[in-house]
Order: sequence, then C-alpha cells, then structure tokens
Amino acid sequence: GQQLNQSPQSMFIQEGEDVSMNCTSSSIFNTWLWYKQDPGEGPVLLIALYKAGELTSNGRLTAQFGITRKDSFLNISASIPSDVGIYFCAGLNYGGSQGNLIFGKGTKLSVKP
Amino acid sequence: NAGVTQTPKFRVLKTGQSMTLLCAQDMNHEYMYWYRQDPGMGLRLIHYSVGEGTTAKGEVPDGYNVSRLKKQNFLLGLESAAPSQTSVYFCASSYSRGLNIQYFGAGTRLSVL
Repeated sequence: GQQLNQSPQSMFIQEGEDVSMNCTSSSIFNTWLWYKQDPGEGPVLLIALYKAGELTSNGRLTAQFGITRKDSFLNISASIPSDVGIYFCAGLNYGGSQGNLIFGKGTKLSVKP
Repeated sequence: NAGVTQTPKFRVLKTGQSMTLLCAQDMNHEYMYWYRQDPGMGLRLIHYSVGEGTTAKGEVPDGYNVSRLKKQNFLLGLESAAPSQTSVYFCASSYSRGLNIQYFGAGTRLSVL
C-alpha cells in the first residue's frame, strides 16, 4: 500500500532555532496536510496544501507541496518551547482505493537539555 | 466548541473482556474514522464510515467491529480484548472524502492486561 516516509524521526531544538522536516512518498498525492499532536491530545491540523508547488504559512510555520506531488516540507522558524510535540504529515490521493488519508510516522520535537 | 468527543478517556481491561468506545461529533460531518496509535507506528486506520449506516475496513480491522447508527456517532467495539490491542485510540471526522481534513478527538487510552 501507499506509505509516507517522514524524517527526521526525532529532533532536539533550542529555543530560537529553525526546524525543518519532510515527508516523501513513491505515490502522488492530491492533498498534503500537516498535524501537530501535543502529549495526551489528539492531532490538530496546522496547514493544508492543495496544489503542487503551493507554499502556505501559518504564523511561524511554513509548508510546501512538492512540485512532483510526492513530497512535502514543514519549516518552523524561531522555535519556542510550546513547539514541542509530534508532527505528522498526511497525504490524500482522491483516486486511491479508499480515498483516505495516509499518515507518516511522525517527527518528535523535543527541547535540548 | 465540542468538535469530536471520545468516551471514555482511559480504560483498563482484562484479556477476553469486551468494551465499546464512543465517538460523537457535532459538526454534521459525513465521514468518521477510528485509528490506533502505537509507539513508532504512527496512526493506523482501523475502520471508517462514509455515512450513516455504512462502515468499511481500514488497514488494521481485525479484532474490532464498528457501527454508525446515527450520523453523529461512531462506535468501536472490542468483543474479546487482547493485550495486542493495548493502544491509544483516536476518532476523527471529516466533511467529505474530497475535502478530507480530519478533525480528531482527544483519544482513549486502553490497556489490556
């Protein structure tokens, strides 16, 4: 089945640093979504992307829908402690057998000791 | 702003016991989903529903049953719980398949001893 490779699996940040993560797939997607999950909570939508090449921002977060439609990137600028959590990418292929979201395994963001 | 509400939030079962997890959404969404989240595995789709009275299997449906008798509710049942079903369960809903932005509940933490 379709799979998303999300990297890195985990990373440590210091306040003020910029953060980058990405998702790649061998399949084409029509929509890319980025979610954040805080400890003990459900995932919350951060950004939705609908067109190849689209670049969308939400505050300090910027996400891009790759030109090939097989990847997406999320950048966080000037990180703050509340950015800690797990970030998930999700792709949707309208023409797939289910038309359901496929989720990456997540990037866990932690604060450097 | 209730959104997606899951009950219970926590539950401990003994092997072989049965239970039902309830998901309720107040956004008039057609589509509803049940996922399980395990460490390092991301979100895996158990079952989903495209409308009242319909259900379909997802990626990991074995050992679970679902029902969607009312549009706003989606029930997940475990007939005979097994330790392998220890997980965090998330319910989600979306307006449609094409506009598949899914909104998640806060999760149910289930331990099967």
